Amino acid sequence: AQSVTQLDSQVPVFEEAPVELRCNYSSSVSVYLFWYVQYPNQGLQLLLKYLSGSTLVKGINGFEAEFNKSQTSFHLRKPSVHISDTAEYFCAVSDRENRDDKIIFGKGTRLHILP
Amino acid sequence: DTEVTQTPKHLVMGMTNKKSLKCEQHMGHRAMYWYKQKAKKPPELMFVYSYEKLSINESVPSRFSPECPNSSLLNLHLHALQPEDSALYLCASSQGAVSSYEQYFGPGTRLTVT
Repeated sequence: AQSVTQLDSQVPVFEEAPVELRCNYSSSVSVYLFWYVQYPNQGLQLLLKYLSGSTLVKGINGFEAEFNKSQTSFHLRKPSVHISDTAEYFCAVSDRENRDDKIIFGKGTRLHILP
Repeated sequence: DTEVTQTPKHLVMGMTNKKSLKCEQHMGHRAMYWYKQKAKKPPELMFVYSYEKLSINESVPSRFSPECPNSSLLNLHLHALQPEDSALYLCASSQGAVSSYEQYFGPGTRLTVT
C-alpha cells in the first residue's frame, strides 16, 4: 500500500528566506505525486503535480518540487517566502499502475512565516 | 469557473437530528468526492462518485449517506451522528476518477455535533 511521510510537522522560516518542505513516499511501483496547500479556513488547492517527464516541476505562487526516484522523495521548495505563504502543505501520492486508485495524503507540514 | 461550492459553511446539529450537506460544481467534472478532515490532520476519503455512480465507499458508517442527483451536485445526508463526527467536511471534484487528475476542493462545511 502507498504511504507518504512528511518529516516535519511544522517549519518556521523568516520572511524572504528560502524554504524546503520534505516529502518521502513508500512505493515499489510508479507513482503520481502532488503538493496541495490549505490556507486557514479554506479547502485544499493544488500547488503542483508530477505525472511524468522532467523531474523538476514548477507550480503556482513560485513553488517548485523535484522528483527523485532513487530517494523516493518529492521535496517542495520556494526561494523566498512571504507572509501569505502561511498555510498547511500536504504531499500526496497515487499509484500510476492502478489509475483508479485514490490519492493518499501525508500528515501535512505547517509553514509558519516569521516577520 | 473553477469553483466548488459547499453549503452550509457551518452546521451545528444534535445527535438525533437529520441534516444534509450540499456540494456543487459547474466544471463538467464527472467525479466527485467527500472527505472528512479533523483538526491538524490530512483529509480522509469517505466516498467517490464517478459518472454519478458510487465507486468508492471507504467503510463509512451508515449514519453518513451520500447522494449524487446529477453530475453537478453531491449531497451528504447525516443522521444520528456522534460527537466524534465533528469535523470539516470537504467536497472535491475532478475530470474523472483517475488518480492523475487534479482534484478541486470546496471550502468545506464545519460540522459540530452536540
